[in-house]
Amino acid sequence: EDQVTQSPEALRLQEGESSSLNCSYTVSGLRGLFWYRQDPGKGPEFLFTLYSAGEEKEKERLKATLTKKESFLHITAPKPEDSATYLCAVGTAGNNRKLIWGLGTSLAVNP
Amino acid sequence: NAGVTQTPKFQVLKTGQSMTLQCAQDMNHEYMSWYRQDPGMGLRLIHYSVGAGITDQGEVPNGYNVSRSTTEDFPLRLLSAAPSQTSVYFCASSLLTSTGELFFGEGSRLTVL
Repeated sequence: EDQVTQSPEALRLQEGESSSLNCSYTVSGLRGLFWYRQDPGKGPEFLFTLYSAGEEKEKERLKATLTKKESFLHITAPKPEDSATYLCAVGTAGNNRKLIWGLGTSLAVNP
Repeated sequence: NAGVTQTPKFQVLKTGQSMTLQCAQDMNHEYMSWYRQDPGMGLRLIHYSVGAGITDQGEVPNGYNVSRSTTEDFPLRLLSAAPSQTSVYFCASSLLTSTGELFFGEGSRLTVL
């Protein structure tokens, strides 16, 4: 069964304390892995797409990487405004119109 | 630059009532979808559309209807509301060639009493 698991469920960091969020997946034919950010009371906001193992994408303090089994979202020197829930989703060869979503990691960055 | 617009933002219904959640996008996206988000369940796909006149079911379609008469609009109808449909609903759209890169609306919070 296709599945996406994110860890940890929640993470609290001090400002400037770098860390990584994990998204592991078991799917029959990956057709893209997608990272989103969701602020409280808002809809998810698209961050990155990764298609193949070894691929990396960067945006400000965020860097997403992909292996054959998991993706990491590295947060370097986070700021309080990086506090949000980060969601991971994958598209599969079975039906690339339907994404499989993880439950997210809730990140809090304290000043 | 409106993006994806959902209305209403909040709604309270009584069991058995019907209503329509509206969704409109101004980006000429072929793909549109409706999700519900519940604590501990994550985002679950209700229905989606790959173009005007074409709709298909997602994971949790029961109790909901959709139609797509134009590229811009994709309303979600609750036929006879039940407490289990209390949730936050999101409409999302994308170019058909990149259906993982979704643009989401702000959400509609629905409570069914």
